[in-house]
Amino acid sequence: EAGVAQSPRYKIIEKRQSVAFWCNPISGHATLYWYQQILGQGPKLLIQFQNNGVVDDSQLPKDRFSAERLKGVDSTLKIQPAKLEDSAVYLCASSPRWGQGEETQYFGPGTRLLVL
Amino acid sequence: QKEVEQDPGPLSVPEGAIVSLNCTYSNSAFQYFMWYRQYSRKGPELLMYTYSSGNKEDGRFTAQVDKSSKYISLFIRDSQPSDSATYLCAMISSGGYNKLIFGAGTRLAVHP
Repeated sequence: EAGVAQSPRYKIIEKRQSVAFWCNPISGHATLYWYQQILGQGPKLLIQFQNNGVVDDSQLPKDRFSAERLKGVDSTLKIQPAKLEDSAVYLCASSPRWGQGEETQYFGPGTRLLVL
Repeated sequence: QKEVEQDPGPLSVPEGAIVSLNCTYSNSAFQYFMWYRQYSRKGPELLMYTYSSGNKEDGRFTAQVDKSSKYISLFIRDSQPSDSATYLCAMISSGGYNKLIFGAGTRLAVHP
């Protein structure tokens, strides 16, 4: 079974530029998550999709971040304009079902973003 | 105060040692407790999960949850150099729609 795919793996941009990340979850997984992991910290959930609907985006800085999951499969996360503090690893994860309780989340390798 | 506290380390041990990793938390609604392992430049992978209080063993790994103290632990027996990674504790509250709250992670180095 193929894992969660993310691209690009690395990105360097200047502040105020825009950037987009792509995620392809494990086939058949209903739920997709985007996390931000700043160096030395644990991942922080930015947004959670159930199929193509948003379940939780309470920690997404909506003035600059946006995300979509077209047709309930692939997803893109965009930052516009980027700030220095957006330098982090952006992790995508997916899980088979949605609901309350534990559902194993499978993580992709992440996209490392450096904002200069 | 952070919801989940975890000592970032680094923790350096010799091969074969018993390793103890710990997290404390403040939210009594947490019901599901996980340990993830993250190798350098990789995404986290689930190691262990426990529901509510108690112990769970899987090979060289043992997870313990003490809800009365809001304290969870991961023990690694006979540690190997391949165990060198960052270990992240994570928790989900009941009714939390699978929203993981992570600790900062403890960096572990096992030297031969």
